[in-house]
Amino acid sequence: QQPVQSPQAVILREGEDAVINCSSSKALYSVHWYRQKHGEAPIFLMILLKGGEQKGHDKISASFNEKKQQSSLYLTASQLSYSGTYFCGTEPFNAGGTSYGKLTFGQGTILTVHP
Amino acid sequence: DAGITQSPRYKITETGRQVTLMCHQTWSHSYMFWYRQDLGHGLRLIYYSAAADITDKGEVPDGYVVSRSKTENFPLTLESATRSQTSVYFCASSGRYGAHEQYFGPGTRLTVT
Repeated sequence: QQPVQSPQAVILREGEDAVINCSSSKALYSVHWYRQKHGEAPIFLMILLKGGEQKGHDKISASFNEKKQQSSLYLTASQLSYSGTYFCGTEPFNAGGTSYGKLTFGQGTILTVHP
Repeated sequence: DAGITQSPRYKITETGRQVTLMCHQTWSHSYMFWYRQDLGHGLRLIYYSAAADITDKGEVPDGYVVSRSKTENFPLTLESATRSQTSVYFCASSGRYGAHEQYFGPGTRLTVT
């Protein structure tokens, strides 16, 4: 089942912050975050594994709440280059307790940053 | 060039024709994936491969066939194209087992008339 992302779209001014959420109805092994610019391929941002960890990449960070099966992507002090569509991809636990990298992606969140 | 490439980048075909989309990667990654991207659906996994000669279905495999005789190539074939298969197709690869980053190719825009 497809994870649900919210909001569907965000409009920011440079320097403002944003949060994008990703919720799943399944127990998750991992959550992946990707960004895609119009007409281009998705680019990997980060992976979060079970354990409620938080990761950071420059001014973009993310958290994973294992109990709620939710992940949030935090973009601080946004830059024009942050514009694009953000996708979360989720992988549920399987019977073997292993990961195969088979992701189910959310519908995406369109982020627009204006000068 | 090094990396992951797809060909053709654009393809127009007629309903009922067979079409093969090519994917080639130069990293010797074990894991390869095919996704389709449609408005309102995001990215959906069609097929997945863990190694040469090992493939498995994804979320939307009907109407598609894959093969992987060599590690670096992962072609996707539409046996009898339908209008509902009009989409952008992305190939991706991952070098390590499990939950690791996937590197996406540039995509193939396929139109079935």
